Amino acid sequence: ELKVEQNPLFLSMQEGKNYTIYCNYSTTSDRLYWYRQDPGKSLESLFVLLSNGAVKQEGRLMASLDTKARLSTLHITAAVHDLSATYFCAVLILTQGGSEKLVFGKGTKLTVNP
Amino acid sequence: DSGVTQTPKHLITATGQRVTLRCSPRSGDLSVYWYQQSLDQGLQFLIQYYNGEERAKGNILERFSAQQFPDLHSELNLSSLELGDSALYFCASSEALTSSWQFFGPGTRLTVL
Repeated sequence: ELKVEQNPLFLSMQEGKNYTIYCNYSTTSDRLYWYRQDPGKSLESLFVLLSNGAVKQEGRLMASLDTKARLSTLHITAAVHDLSATYFCAVLILTQGGSEKLVFGKGTKLTVNP
Repeated sequence: DSGVTQTPKHLITATGQRVTLRCSPRSGDLSVYWYQQSLDQGLQFLIQYYNGEERAKGNILERFSAQQFPDLHSELNLSSLELGDSALYFCASSEALTSSWQFFGPGTRLTVL
């Protein structure tokens, strides 16, 4: 069964600092997603990574994918308080019925302190 | 706003009861997915419907069932509720059977007392 592991699960950082969240997964997949969730809210789409070496950037967040290592990273540059949220990676796998489903990591709760 | 709507936002009920959660996908989306988010299990895929047909099943309990109607809205039925069923239930939709993105609704928070 596919396992998706994120680390760290909790991250407290100061404004202006850089940090990386890691997402490892146990089987091959065509796609990896990053979502953001604010407390009590829904999941907001951040990035989809489609191929080995893919890199996507939006503002202070940059995501990358290494399919050979089965590893994705979400790098935070010069963190600001507004980035405080829980970040999930999710791996897309095909199902027997020819459709697909997302398997999520446990999430990384990021707190950015002034 | 993703365009996916879910009702109700909150639901409080007692053990042994049955509830129905409703989801309307984005306009034009044919696939609907249901996910459960709890502190214990995290975010788990429950079931997918595509154009009215069940297409994939995840960790969905036998006490739970779902359907997708001709107008493409979907309902998740939870019966014989237990305390452990308390969770946030999300619906997501996508254009096709396989799509780049699943767009998530705001969720229904279910509390079983």
